[in-house]
Amino acid sequence: DAGVIQSPRHEVTEMGQEVTLRCKPISGHNSLFWYRQTMMRGLELLIYFNNNVPIDDSGMPEDRFSAKMPNASFSTLKIQPSEPRDSAVYFCASSLVDYGYTFGSGTRLTVV
Amino acid sequence: GNSVTQMEGPVTLSEEAFLTINCTYTATGYPSLFWYVQYPGEGLQLLLKATKADDKGSNKGFEATYRKETTSFHLEKGSVQVSDSAVYFCALSGSGGSNYKLTFGKGTLLTVNP
Repeated sequence: DAGVIQSPRHEVTEMGQEVTLRCKPISGHNSLFWYRQTMMRGLELLIYFNNNVPIDDSGMPEDRFSAKMPNASFSTLKIQPSEPRDSAVYFCASSLVDYGYTFGSGTRLTVV
Repeated sequence: GNSVTQMEGPVTLSEEAFLTINCTYTATGYPSLFWYVQYPGEGLQLLLKATKADDKGSNKGFEATYRKETTSFHLEKGSVQVSDSAVYFCALSGSGGSNYKLTFGKGTLLTVNP
């Protein structure tokens, strides 16, 4: 298996633009997680899905953030409109049971 | 709620030195415990895990023992190498039901000098 695949690896966008981050989990994994990593706040769980259903989105910072998982092999995290404080590395991870995740390589987002 | 507290870094060691990174946790029930490692520019990788009290997780010379009495899961390695330089995260997964969330500590940067 190719692991968890995230795209793009790097994204630079202007404030106010829409940003869409993509994730393909490992085939057969039924849980998917979106994390954000910054120097100041460390790793923050934004949202997670179980069997494609959002279970907990309490970490989503505000209404500008939205996430979808239309099927078991694809998820998106959208920021609209983006702001400079959204600059971070966004990780997607998937798991089959709660015995550890497999993380993607992350998307480094810079909003200027 | 669940929480994880790691020793603050950075930690700087010479090659072949002994490593300890402390981790304590607060959780209800019987969580599973993990150590993850993040190399520069990469995502987190599972290093080792323990799912019940007194279990010892081990991998690549690293070890950690699940101590319920002290709510700790300290990471140790007897002889570190330059290639071990990375950020190490302690994490826990809540017990029971469908609680699959991992709660992470803030991470500890380890630098090993030749």
